[in-house]
Amino acid sequence: GAVVSQHPSRVICKSGTSVKIECRSLDFQATTMFWYRQFPKQSLMLMATSNEGSKATYEQGVEKDKFLINHASLTLSTLTVTSAHPEDSSFYICSARDAGRYTEAFFGQGTRLTVV
Amino acid sequence: SQKIEQNSEALNIQEGKTATLTCNYTNYSPAYLQWYRQDPGRGPVFLLLIRENEKEKRKERLKVTFDTTLKQSLFHITASQPADSATYLCALRTGDDKIIFGKGTRLHILP
Repeated sequence: GAVVSQHPSRVICKSGTSVKIECRSLDFQATTMFWYRQFPKQSLMLMATSNEGSKATYEQGVEKDKFLINHASLTLSTLTVTSAHPEDSSFYICSARDAGRYTEAFFGQGTRLTVV
Repeated sequence: SQKIEQNSEALNIQEGKTATLTCNYTNYSPAYLQWYRQDPGRGPVFLLLIRENEKEKRKERLKVTFDTTLKQSLFHITASQPADSATYLCALRTGDDKIIFGKGTRLHILP
């Protein structure tokens, strides 16, 4: 199957700082990438959908100024958590859709963010 | 609102038996339904997709059924093994092209 690489896998940052998470599709072009957040023993909650070259679409309740998403190329999307607070600590997962294989999505390994 | 429910939060099955997981949805008529496996601290991995006009799909020891009248999908693992222990998620693609997930069922295969 297609490979999606997410980096870093773990990050610890201080309150008030910003953290950038990268999501790359390694062997396919991802016209659409999705960012999810997952709390322990909970489902994946969709945060936003990003399409290459256009602004991301955020789900209700997700602050777009806090979670900045950039999808500048067909293989790279980034999520920046700005002015992080301890309540932003979570597991963040990206997924990418292959334009040629439209039905399933391929997921990155996830990023465990801890804000101290 | 659209809802996906996976009835069991956790399920313990004896090794060698068949594990059956349930996914129900409401307020939606999906063209297809997907099942993913997620291991702790990892992203989900796609397993199977079943379309609305398919009643059953198989892949090795996995079998998925889809009943659009009951709005339900069943996910079976036959001859279960301890390595099958993981969280299994069902997912739907919405009309506005997003993929949304149920909470998942944590499956434990007991040796």
